[in-house]
Amino acid sequence: GAVVSQHPSRVICKSGTSVKIECRSLDFQATTMFWYRQFPKQSLMLMATSNEGSKATYEQGVEKDKFLINHASLTLSTLTVTSAHPEDSSFYICSARDWDSFNYGYTFGSGTRLTVV
Amino acid sequence: DAKTTQPTSMDCAEGRAANLPCNHSTISGNEYVYWYRQIHSQGPQYIIHGLKNNETNEMASLIITEDRKSSTLILPHATLRDTAVYYCIAIDRGGGNKLTFGTGTQLKVEL
Repeated sequence: GAVVSQHPSRVICKSGTSVKIECRSLDFQATTMFWYRQFPKQSLMLMATSNEGSKATYEQGVEKDKFLINHASLTLSTLTVTSAHPEDSSFYICSARDWDSFNYGYTFGSGTRLTVV
Repeated sequence: DAKTTQPTSMDCAEGRAANLPCNHSTISGNEYVYWYRQIHSQGPQYIIHGLKNNETNEMASLIITEDRKSSTLILPHATLRDTAVYYCIAIDRGGGNKLTFGTGTQLKVEL
């Protein structure tokens, strides 16, 4: 079945630095990937839709200059949290849709726990 | 995509069936009902989906009412490892739609 690999699974960074999170579709091509953020005891909140070869589409209230998304190939999308602050500490999850899968559904990565100190 | 409504939490004894309801009264004819679950600190995992007919796979069964306004996910023999948040989502598969999550149901399976 479709597999989405996300790295790193856990990262701690200092306030003011940048962190890059990778999301790869391992056995299918994904023209579109999605990035979510999840705070403790809350549901997943969509941050942006990443489109291969074009600019990402951000949800209302998400700063595009702070959360840089690059989708340079059909199997890789990256999310860079720039100038990270403690309030950016969260669980970040990516997903991609495999149109050739039996369920035409969305497959999710295992998530990245970001802690900014 | 149609809005879905689920109970906030449910408890179930291990070995018993867990029946998780979902209301999607405004679902359109093109929208499928998908169920995902999220175990703590992991990404969501696909469980099952359906359009009109009841569906069953190795993980669960999905019962959709005839008017499609509600559905029930059934875990026939719940185990402790089934403790998770379960999300019911209505998806129009024809578009490249973004997936929006509701609050889901926290299922707690206990001994």
